Amino acid sequence: QVELVESGGGVVQSGRSLRLACAASGFTFSSYGMHWVRQAPGKGLEWVAVISSDGSDKYYADSVKGRFTISRDNSKDTLYLYMNSLRAEDTAMYYCAGGSGYCNSWGQGTLVTVSS
Amino acid sequence: DIVVTQSPDSLSVSLGERATINCKSSQSVLYSSDNKNYLAWYQQKPGQPPKLLIYWASTRESGVPDRFSGSGSGTDFTLTISGLQAEDVAVYYCQEYYSVPYTFGQGTKVEIK
Repeated sequence: QVELVESGGGVVQSGRSLRLACAASGFTFSSYGMHWVRQAPGKGLEWVAVISSDGSDKYYADSVKGRFTISRDNSKDTLYLYMNSLRAEDTAMYYCAGGSGYCNSWGQGTLVTVSS
Repeated sequence: DIVVTQSPDSLSVSLGERATINCKSSQSVLYSSDNKNYLAWYQQKPGQPPKLLIYWASTRESGVPDRFSGSGSGTDFTLTISGLQAEDVAVYYCQEYYSVPYTFGQGTKVEIK
């Protein structure tokens, strides 16, 4: 069955960097676009970024553009999110999700807390 | 950017009754070349990740009970839960995937009356 497992979250100081990873299994990873979606504590869902199946196309929310980078390694079935210049407002649960448009599979999420 | 607005923010429905959630996009998400509405619905229960319920505005994801249905076209959409069950207590989100950024609605919390 499809499984997405995020890792790399934790507590980080404002202005620092963090790399999230999402290990995929149970499907042909290289055939699907992938997303990062985040959810601040007690708040709704916020779409963060999407990457095409071959990694050639990447799009970002305005709130993270220029600070976050989405990438993937299809040889390792892994999705990444590189987060730089972190701010308090980036504190959230970060989910990876599979799908080129709608998200039909989701991981359990990894929590990122940015402290000042 | 497309703005997606849900209504109401919350609703209380008796067991077995119908729950209706509305979703409105600031511009049409109907793609003329394939005549598909690029709109999805998700369910999120406390402490869990979201789960896809509906895509293309009205196509039910495999395994989703048929009491969940989606309708609408263009800019106005509806998620209907026909015969609310206790396990349907959750927050429901719509999302457009017509153009990036793929915006979510703010969510609608469904509770039992």
